[in-house]
Amino acid sequence: SAVISQKPSRDICQRGTSLTIQCQVDSQVTMMFWYRQQPGQSLTLIATANQGSEATYESGFVIDKFPISRPNLTFSTLTVSNMSPEDSSIYLCSVYENWNTEAFFGQGTRLTVV
Amino acid sequence: AQSVAQPEDQVNVAEGNPLTVKCTYSVSGNPYLFWYVQYPNRGLQFLLKYITGDNLVKGSYGFEAEFNKSQTSFHLKKPSALVSDSALYFCAVRDGDNFNKFYFGSGTKLNVKP
Repeated sequence: SAVISQKPSRDICQRGTSLTIQCQVDSQVTMMFWYRQQPGQSLTLIATANQGSEATYESGFVIDKFPISRPNLTFSTLTVSNMSPEDSSIYLCSVYENWNTEAFFGQGTRLTVV
Repeated sequence: AQSVAQPEDQVNVAEGNPLTVKCTYSVSGNPYLFWYVQYPNRGLQFLLKYITGDNLVKGSYGFEAEFNKSQTSFHLKKPSALVSDSALYFCAVRDGDNFNKFYFGSGTKLNVKP
């Protein structure tokens, strides 16, 4: 199973600023996924990060607000830009290894915007 | 379109009693079903999955789930609940047409009381 390290684990940020979240996987994976979990809610997929190409964003999420980098097969970053209190959520990085395996998750980044 | 429903926001059970957390799904094609658990301030931990084979799937920490195709259900069960099982549980289905996508239920908070 993949082991995912996510940093920071939590942060409190001022509105209008940006935060970059890092995700490191202990093995090479083709795709990495970023999810948002708003308070008391389920997980919503933000985007899929592919190495060597632009990330693919889900409906309702745009690159200007959530720019993603994927410089190699074990690492990705998600930036939450120009933050507002509505961005307060847990952000989770995820990978899977094969079509018939489960998804693995990082421990999440709990973001509070004040 | 794929979807997952967890009809109960919360389940309360006494320690030592059996527990059931309900999940129903809607998929086109074969279902790939998963259960995850989330403890406070943590990411999602994989419990078990159904891809194919026996309808009764055994997973981590004594949990099991029963796949019922006719009722399109995948309920999570445990014969004897522990206080430490108290957490948030998510059912998920993988998109059979796009294996990159997981759809998560709204989550069920399990409270096990001593």
